Amino acid sequence: EDKVVQSPLSLVVHEGDTVTLNCSYEVTNFRSLLWYKQEKKAPTFLFMLTSSGIEKKSGRLSSILDKKELFSILNITATQTGDSAVYLCAVEASYQKVTFGIGTKLQVIP
Amino acid sequence: DGGITQSPKYLFRKEGQNVTLSCEQNLNHDAMYWYRQDPGQGLRLIYYSQIVNDFQKGDIAEGYSVSREKKESFPLTVTSAQKNPTAFYLCASSIDRLATDTQYFGPGTRLTVL
Repeated sequence: EDKVVQSPLSLVVHEGDTVTLNCSYEVTNFRSLLWYKQEKKAPTFLFMLTSSGIEKKSGRLSSILDKKELFSILNITATQTGDSAVYLCAVEASYQKVTFGIGTKLQVIP
Repeated sequence: DGGITQSPKYLFRKEGQNVTLSCEQNLNHDAMYWYRQDPGQGLRLIYYSQIVNDFQKGDIAEGYSVSREKKESFPLTVTSAQKNPTAFYLCASSIDRLATDTQYFGPGTRLTVL
């Protein structure tokens, strides 16, 4: 059975801190790893990673994939209160099969 | 404005009743998806459709049914056979069946079965 495990489950930081969210997976026929930010219910897409060692960046967010060790990290630098959300990791394995982790709840306090 | 709409936002039903959740998109996307989210669990795929008049079961299709008669619409029916229907339901769409990286989500419907 495909599995996606995220850690920590929740995290509280102060504005300006840097955070690292982890996602490990066990899937058959890996295709891609996806990160989503979920606030007010509907997740929004952040990154898709398919190749090891290539960092993707978007502003203060960055993510990298290690296909040998089967994990990915999502980094957020200089956190702001608007970063407070649940961050979901998902893995697409073979055609159209996507497995989600349960998410990391991030709270950024002023 | 283009996007995905789900209605209603909150839905209450008595046990034993079927209920249909609406999902409409005007993004001209071929692929549409239904997910369910429960506390402490990730999103789970119920059904997906790659094109009009075609749909496939996801991981937890039992107790659900769908139709895809029009490109822009993908309604989900939660039947009385679904043992734990109370959950948050998310609909999504993507440009084509190969593009999971461009998946757009609707606002969701919270279904509560009393």
